[in-house]
Amino acid sequence: DIQMTQSPSSLSASVGDRVTITCRASPSISRYLNWYQHKPGKAPKLLIYAASSLQSGVPSRFSGSGSGTDFTLTISSLQPEDFATYYCQQSYGTLYTFGQGTKLEIK
Amino acid sequence: QVQLVQSGAEVRKPGASVRVSCKTSGYSFTSYYVHWVRQAPGQGLEWMGVINPGDGGTTYAQKFRGSVTVTRDTSTSTVYMELSSLRSEDTAVYYCARDPRPYDFWSGSQGGWFDPWGQGTLVTVSS
Repeated sequence: DIQMTQSPSSLSASVGDRVTITCRASPSISRYLNWYQHKPGKAPKLLIYAASSLQSGVPSRFSGSGSGTDFTLTISSLQPEDFATYYCQQSYGTLYTFGQGTKLEIK
Repeated sequence: QVQLVQSGAEVRKPGASVRVSCKTSGYSFTSYYVHWVRQAPGQGLEWMGVINPGDGGTTYAQKFRGSVTVTRDTSTSTVYMELSSLRSEDTAVYYCARDPRPYDFWSGSQGGWFDPWGQGTLVTVSS
């Protein structure tokens, strides 16, 4: 199975901060990498698909980059509604896996 | 609009089975893959498997082979996920989610993502 490792596992930041979350794949997954935001009691929300494509309706402060084994999700200026847990997910081949998640908390 | 509406919460004893439904609407049911994902308390998201509603073909994560069965009913545009031999560790919220890309023979389910999602179904396994 393809292993996905996210870092950090948790992060404290303030409104207005620029935040970067990293996801590493082993082995390489080309650009088959997606990002989700998950808040308690709600279904996860797709933010980024195919490594860097912004899902319709998602604010432009969210961006994704990377290919192969190293990927990043960047939030350019944190807003109060962005505090949540973020997951990467790979879809290389037919067996999908998620990263373990990054919990973004208010400092 | 595209909607996935799941069945309500369930409580089961260890060793029993549970079936969760995911009723879809707003699109051509047989043209889009539907996946199942779960989240146990305090844990992350875990991909379980996928069905091609067009031909009923399935793929499961290795962890769930032998314990999960995903089926579909094309007459009601509903996908079902059955989990057998339940243990306390199966207590979780179970989600269905659609891959928004139309089925493609050549790529199959490779390269997909999940949007939208169902609202989630809590399954509690307790004696």
